[in-house]
Amino acid sequence: GQNIDQPTEMTATEGAIVQINCTYQTSGFNGLFWYQQHAGEAPTFLSYNVLDGLEEKGRFSSFLSRSKGYSYLLLKELQMKDSASYLCAVRDWGQTGGGNKLTFGTGTQLKVEL
Amino acid sequence: SQTIHQWPATLVQPVGSPLSLECTVEGTSNPNLYWYRQAAGRGLQLLFYSVGIGQISSEVPQNLSASRPQDRQFILSSKKLLLSDSGFYLCAWSVRGAKNIQYFGAGTRLSVL
Repeated sequence: GQNIDQPTEMTATEGAIVQINCTYQTSGFNGLFWYQQHAGEAPTFLSYNVLDGLEEKGRFSSFLSRSKGYSYLLLKELQMKDSASYLCAVRDWGQTGGGNKLTFGTGTQLKVEL
Repeated sequence: SQTIHQWPATLVQPVGSPLSLECTVEGTSNPNLYWYRQAAGRGLQLLFYSVGIGQISSEVPQNLSASRPQDRQFILSSKKLLLSDSGFYLCAWSVRGAKNIQYFGAGTRLSVL
């Protein structure tokens, strides 16, 4: 099965940059996803990586290294509204039905302070 | 554009009572559909997913069942709720393809007392 590790909590200052790391183990990697979840709300899709490298989308960027089983989400120019949980999820062809489902990490709770 | 509707938003049920949560998707055909549960302070746990009408895959043994009577309708049910069924239930959909990105409904917060 999958083993997805993320830090439980992080704290950063408004206007700064923060990097949230995610490591994973799969038998047939087929995509890594990042979601943002504000307290009491549903997760919203942020980014998708399947090839090595950096994907940039406004203030948010996501990086993937398949050989290292490693990804990070980079948030620039932090705003108070970025305080949320950030979930890393992977898709794995190596598991039954793996093409159709995701396995989620437990999330990193980011607190942005003044 | 596609939208996903999930109701009710909040539900309080006594132990032993039945449960029915409904999810519908608009603006797409033949989506993959998913039910997740998120316990307080924990990650998302996939409960069921469906790739078509009447096709249900169960991920974990539990007190719940799922059905897909129509292409864009996914129902989560229980005959008798347990205290441990409390949690935040999320429905999601995706379009089959290279990315297969999942998009979530607003969720139902279930409290079993």
